[in-house]
Amino acid sequence: DGGITQSPKYLFRKEGQNVTLSCEQNLNHDAMYWYRQDPGQGLRLIYYSQIVNDFQKGDIAEGYSVSREKKESFPLTVTSAQKNPTAFYLCASSFWTGGAKPEAFFGQGTRLTVV
Amino acid sequence: KNEVEQSPQNLTAQEGEFITINCSYSVGISALHWLQQHPGGGIVSLFMLSSGKKKHGRLIATINIQEKHSSLHITASHPRDSAVYICAVTAISNFGNEKLTFGTGTRLTIIP
Repeated sequence: DGGITQSPKYLFRKEGQNVTLSCEQNLNHDAMYWYRQDPGQGLRLIYYSQIVNDFQKGDIAEGYSVSREKKESFPLTVTSAQKNPTAFYLCASSFWTGGAKPEAFFGQGTRLTVV
Repeated sequence: KNEVEQSPQNLTAQEGEFITINCSYSVGISALHWLQQHPGGGIVSLFMLSSGKKKHGRLIATINIQEKHSSLHITASHPRDSAVYICAVTAISNFGNEKLTFGTGTRLTIIP
């Protein structure tokens, strides 16, 4: 079955350490996205990628980095520069077709806790 | 003003009640999504709508493109329906590509 997989579901890290969250999809989607959710707030865009080897900053990119070496994979690194890394992180993917194929699929999410 | 607004923000109801959650948006869209987020945080995609109405079990989602409004209904609500329900739109940007925009969610609590 096609889908989008995030791992792990829960992640704990010590303050000052970088941590990488995994997102993989086998839907042949062009676009992939990372969002962050804080308590009482909506999901906010961190980074997105339309094609392999290209990505763009979203609304809250500071303290994060991404790569898109393969179409299927879009890992997110939360660096030590991110002031408040504890949050719920959601990965999504879709076709990039100017609205012709609007399907978007969502991962289950990763809850990161930094102690 | 947020591009996607949900109401109510919080909703508490008795088991068996009919539930309605509303979503209004202010941008041109190619699709609207309803997501369910359980207390553990995991996200489940419930519906994707471009027009009309969809039904899955006790859940019904409708969309009115002209009014830029969607509703999610739950019939015969049950405590296991307690979750945060999130509306998201695939908005068409000025550059003709998709952008996902999320509402802040509606926290639903069903009391036995």
